[in-house]
Amino acid sequence: GEDVEQSLFLSVREGDSSVINCTYTDSSSTYLYWYKQEPGAGLQLLTYIFSNMDMKQDQRLTVLLNKKDKHLSLRIADTQTGDSAIYFCAEIATYKYIFGTGTRLKVLA
Amino acid sequence: GAVVSQHPSWVICKSGTSVKIECRSLDFQATTMFWYRQFPKQSLMLMATSNEGSKATYEQGVEKDKFLINHASLTLSTLTVTSAHPEDSSFYICSARDLAGTGFINEQFFGPGTRLTVL
Repeated sequence: GEDVEQSLFLSVREGDSSVINCTYTDSSSTYLYWYKQEPGAGLQLLTYIFSNMDMKQDQRLTVLLNKKDKHLSLRIADTQTGDSAIYFCAEIATYKYIFGTGTRLKVLA
Repeated sequence: GAVVSQHPSWVICKSGTSVKIECRSLDFQATTMFWYRQFPKQSLMLMATSNEGSKATYEQGVEKDKFLINHASLTLSTLTVTSAHPEDSSFYICSARDLAGTGFINEQFFGPGTRLTVL
């Protein structure tokens, strides 16, 4: 089946790094994505990685992809209170997005 | 970037009534739009894929007579929840794929969501 799993909660102190993990199932996914959802709002694309890459860095965000283990992670450096939100990883299965279960990140001041 | 709007942003209705939610791509054309449902503290579940000028493709377990989808133009898709019941209360999110394919393949742009509460 198509299951994308994430840990449900993560709590970090302001200024620390956050690492959100995701495991996916479809090895044919060409792109993998990270989305951010703030309370009561839609999804905002944060970053993505092409499946033939191991790592992608975009300002405070670093995405690591271990294709062998089907493991994706998002590292947020210098986490701020404004980063508090739910983070979803997503893979493409044919043309459809399959979203992970979401990780609720809480940043403590 | 590409913008997708939804209207209304929230709606409260009585049980048994029908509710229409609109999804518009504001600055691009979208042959394909997607409708998702999100329960509180849960992930997004794809309900259906809306194709301009043709019938929608529904995911397994989604009642097509309950959730009517119309994609009459390249910038508008509507989802009508017919004879709504309290269990239909949820957050409905649409997304659209840019016909021109700017950005990268398969990128979808998401609307802000519509919160439906059925009393």
